[in-house]
Amino acid sequence: EIVMTQSPATLSVSPGERATLSCRASQSVSSNLAWYQQKPGQAPRLLIYGASTRATGIPARFSGSGSGTEFTLTISSLQSEDFAVYYCQQYNNWPSSTFGQGTKVEIK
Amino acid sequence: EVQLVESGGGLVQPGRSLRLSCAASGFTFDDYAMHWVRQAPGKGLEWVSGISWNSGSIGYADSVKGRFTISRDNAKNSLYLQMNSLRAEDTALYYCAKEMIWPPVFDYWGQGTLVTVSS
Repeated sequence: EIVMTQSPATLSVSPGERATLSCRASQSVSSNLAWYQQKPGQAPRLLIYGASTRATGIPARFSGSGSGTEFTLTISSLQSEDFAVYYCQQYNNWPSSTFGQGTKVEIK
Repeated sequence: EVQLVESGGGLVQPGRSLRLSCAASGFTFDDYAMHWVRQAPGKGLEWVSGISWNSGSIGYADSVKGRFTISRDNAKNSLYLQMNSLRAEDTALYYCAKEMIWPPVFDYWGQGTLVTVSS
C-alpha cells in the first residue's frame, strides 16, 4: 500500500500570506496526485488533479506542483474562506487510492 | 445538478451487519466508477472501496477486505456497501463519491451517513 505523508499537520498563516503544504508518497505515484479541501461539517471538494491541474471553478490562487514522490500545494494569498483542512490523494493503482492524514490551515 | 444521497447508517453492535446505499441523480450513473470513503470522528479521510461502471473492477482497502462488499445497480442509479463483522474502528461518516471519467479522482461527494459501532 502506498502511504501518503503530509506536512505540517497544522499551518498557521495570516490572511493575505502564502501557504505551502507538502505531501510525500512512500513510492512513486507519477503525477497521479490530487488535492482536496474540507471545511467543518462539509464534504471534501476537489481542488487539484494530475498534481497541477485545477478542477473546475477553483481560483487561480491555488496551484499544485511535483511528481514522483514529492508534491506541493500552494495558496498564493490566503482568503478567509481558505482556512480548512487539505488532503492529498494518490490514485496511481486504480481502483485503490490512499489519502494523506491532512494539513489544517488555521488563522494566525 | 449532480446529487449523491447516502442512507442506511446508524448504531450497530460489534459483529453485526449494515448495508449503506447511495442514490445518485443528475448524471448518467452507469458511465462512472463510484467509491466509498469514510472519515472517523475528528480524523482524516480513508478510501474504503471502489467499483467500475460495469462492476467489472472492484477494490477494497486492506482494513475492510473480506468484510465489506461494494455493489451497484445501474438500473436504480444506486451504489451499495454491505458491511459485515463490524468493529468499533469502523465507526465513521461514510461518503459516496463519484469518479471523473479521467483522471480517476472524486469530483462529487455526498454529505455522508454516520455509522456507529458500539455495544
